[in-house]
Formats: sequence, C-alpha cells, structure tokens
Amino acid sequence: DAMVIQNPRYQVTQFGKPVTLSCSQTLNHNVMYWYQQKSSQAPKLLFHYYDKDFNNEADTPDNFQSRRPNTSFCFLDIRSPGLGDAAMYLCATSQTTWVSAGANVLTFGAGSRLTVL
Amino acid sequence: AQSVTQLDSHVSVSEGTPVLLRCNYSSSYSPSLFWYVQHPNKGLQLLLKYTSAATLVKGINGFEAEFKKSETSFHLTKPSAHMSDAAEYFCVVSSNAGKSTFGDGTTLTVKP
Repeated sequence: DAMVIQNPRYQVTQFGKPVTLSCSQTLNHNVMYWYQQKSSQAPKLLFHYYDKDFNNEADTPDNFQSRRPNTSFCFLDIRSPGLGDAAMYLCATSQTTWVSAGANVLTFGAGSRLTVL
Repeated sequence: AQSVTQLDSHVSVSEGTPVLLRCNYSSSYSPSLFWYVQHPNKGLQLLLKYTSAATLVKGINGFEAEFKKSETSFHLTKPSAHMSDAAEYFCVVSSNAGKSTFGDGTTLTVKP
C-alpha cells in the first residue's frame, strides 16, 4: 500500500564517507522532491525534478547531488557528509501541471534518518 | 513572494478539549493552503487543503480549517483532542509557481 518508499530508514555513516539515499514511488507523479529536516525544524527543500528537469535550490550545498534515472526512482547522494548533514531526509512527490501548480499536494515518504559519526 | 507564520511553536491541550493551531500567510497570488501532520520519526501526511473552493475545509481525523482572506489566516481546529493527535503540525502555502513554503511547525501535546 505504501506509495512513496524511502530506503534505508536509518543510515549511519562516517564523516566524509559518501552515502546514497533512495526514493521510489508507485504514484506515477511527475515531480519528485528532496527535503532536509533537522530536529524541531520545518523541512527545507534541497532540489526537485519536474519530469527530467532538475531544479536546485540556490542555497543547497554542492555536497548534495541527485539523480532521477526514471519516473519511479530518485536518489540523493551526499558526497562528503559532515556532522551538520545529520538530519531526516524526506522524499516527496506531486502530480503538478503549470495550470494546477497551486494545488501542489505533496505525498511524503517515511524519511531516511542520517547519522554522521 | 510568499510566507507562512505559525503563531505558536507549542500548544498543549487536555484530551477531549478543543484544538486551535494558528497560521497566517502572505502571498502575492491566490494561494493554495495546506496543513500536514508529522508523527515522530515519520513522514508528513496531508490533513487538509484549501484551493479556492469552499472556505471551510474538512480534513481527516476530525480536523478542519477556515480560509479567511481578510485576516490572511488558515487556522486549524478540532472540537475534541485525542491522545493520537499529539504530533507536529505544519501549515504550508503554495503559489501558482508550484513552490511550497512551510511554516516552522507547531508541536501539539495532548494531556490525559
């Protein structure tokens, strides 16, 4: 029944050791998002894919990269995690057209919690 | 430009009493507004949305919200709190540019 699935749910990595988080969706939504959420804070958008078009937020560090090989999958790569990158990473999807862009309902996965040692 | 202000970072109520979580927004366009709930270590779940239809919007789990353009508010209410309502609540505004802006969240505590 799960529609947006994130793996792994919990990831522990060492300082500077690359990590990849994955997201898959069964909704066939055209937009996929990655958010970073630190403790007791609102989710912060890192980037999103509108179909195959990649849209990076201006303040997203270069350390964060993303790939979307097909409609169903999206990956978040953190090239050299620092202690400040420890957070919950949330994947979300939406079916958005420019006509209905304002009705931008987001469907979230359960999140991947990253710990950096 | 758009922004969202959740007026209370923490709200505490007793089980069975009403819940009010306050949200004010700013938007240059006719906004769409949403409330999401997040339980500990979980993703966000849509509670309800306003997209320029009826101003009183009913959502899941007995929650509702009223869009008041004159007050630029979209407060979330529930007549009777349940222990399972304890969670983090986010008010979100979305514009025709398709970008969602989150409020800082309100932590709801429900006391037995």
